[in-house]
Formats: sequence, C-alpha cells, structure tokens
Amino acid sequence: NAGVIQTPRHKVTGKGQEATLWCEPISGHSAVFWYRQTIVQGLEFLTYFRNQAPIDDSGMPKERFSAQMPNQSHSTLKIQSTQPQDSAVYLCASSWDNTGQLYFGEGSKLTVL
Amino acid sequence: GDSVTQTEGLVTVTEGLPVKLNCTYQTTYLTIAFFWYVQYLNEAPQVLLKSSTDNKRTEHQGFHATLHKSSSSFHLQKSSAQLSDSALYYCALGTGNTGKLIFGLGTTLQVQP
Repeated sequence: NAGVIQTPRHKVTGKGQEATLWCEPISGHSAVFWYRQTIVQGLEFLTYFRNQAPIDDSGMPKERFSAQMPNQSHSTLKIQSTQPQDSAVYLCASSWDNTGQLYFGEGSKLTVL
Repeated sequence: GDSVTQTEGLVTVTEGLPVKLNCTYQTTYLTIAFFWYVQYLNEAPQVLLKSSTDNKRTEHQGFHATLHKSSSSFHLQKSSAQLSDSALYYCALGTGNTGKLIFGLGTTLQVQP
C-alpha cells in the first residue's frame, strides 16, 4: 500500500513568490491534516479536513496561507508572498478514524531565500 | 489552552543502558488519547505507542509508557537502549475525539556505542 505522498519533496522560492504543496492521502482515509515542522516550534498544527470539508484551520497564518481539498485524493497548501520565516518542512498526514493515529508523508521542505 | 511539554531537547545514552523521555501535558478535555511518535532521519513520523487508559502500561518495540492522569504525564521508557533507537521522538495529545493532535517540541535521542 502506498503511504501519504507529498510533492515536491524540496522547493526553493524567492521572497515574495508563491509556493504550492500537494498531498495525496492514503486511499480510504477520511481526514487530512497539515503540520509545519521546525526545530524551534516542533510540529505545529495548521489545518485539517474531514471528508473533504474544512474542519479546523486555527493554526493557519490567516493572511498568506490557504488550504484546499478539492477531492478525496488530493489536498493543497498554498503560501502566497513567501517569507524567510515560512522556511520549514510541511507535513501532511491522513487518518481513517478520529483516534489520533496519523499516517504522515515524508514532507515538503520549503526554503525561502 | 492545551499543551504538551517535553523538557529535554536532546538525550544521550550509552547502548544497553535505560532511557527515559519525559512528557507532561495540560488540557481541559476529559476524553484524551496519548501518543509517542518516532521520526528516523529522513523519514516520516510514525506511531510508536498510544494509550487512552489511565494507569495502564502500553508496550511496543521494547518501549513502554503509562498514562498517569493524576500527574498529567506519559513518559517513554526503555530498559536497554539500542543504536537503532536514535531518532526524534514526539509526544502528542489527542483531545475531544477530533483526531487532531497537539505535539510537544520533540526530544532527540542519541544512543552511543
């Protein structure tokens, strides 16, 4: 079985440019989560969807970050006007229940110059 | 708000000796679940242990942890550390049956020969 697939694995952008990260959850999983990983902040929750509907975006920086889940096999995280402080590994995870057992992808490492 | 605290950023132990990684939490939820996730170098985080039962020991791959609601703790222990245990360990709190997890900052475990 394929795990959670994230693309691209590495992305380098210039300050002010846009970055879009993609996530394909495990087939049959009903929930998709986005986390940001840094050494200083650890794993920060950003947002999640259940059955494609946005449920909680309390961790999303409001002005430049947005996430969508247009179908059950695909979610995107878009960062507009990227800033150096956005540099991090962005992790997507999916789950089939609400117990909290998440299956993570290997992450997309974003570097903003 | 809900929070998870991992007091050590780095724990170094000699192979064959016991190891303990600390985790405490704060939450107002009555229904909680706890997890330890492990992330090996260049890999995705994966579940190591999980528990939602107070005072019940949970074991997996030689590691064990017991949820103690009286002291708000879920420490991870192993009696004999192996070189292959070197990794980043996250403690995580799940609340309210949402599936969303709140992670600590993580503890890097280095096992030396």
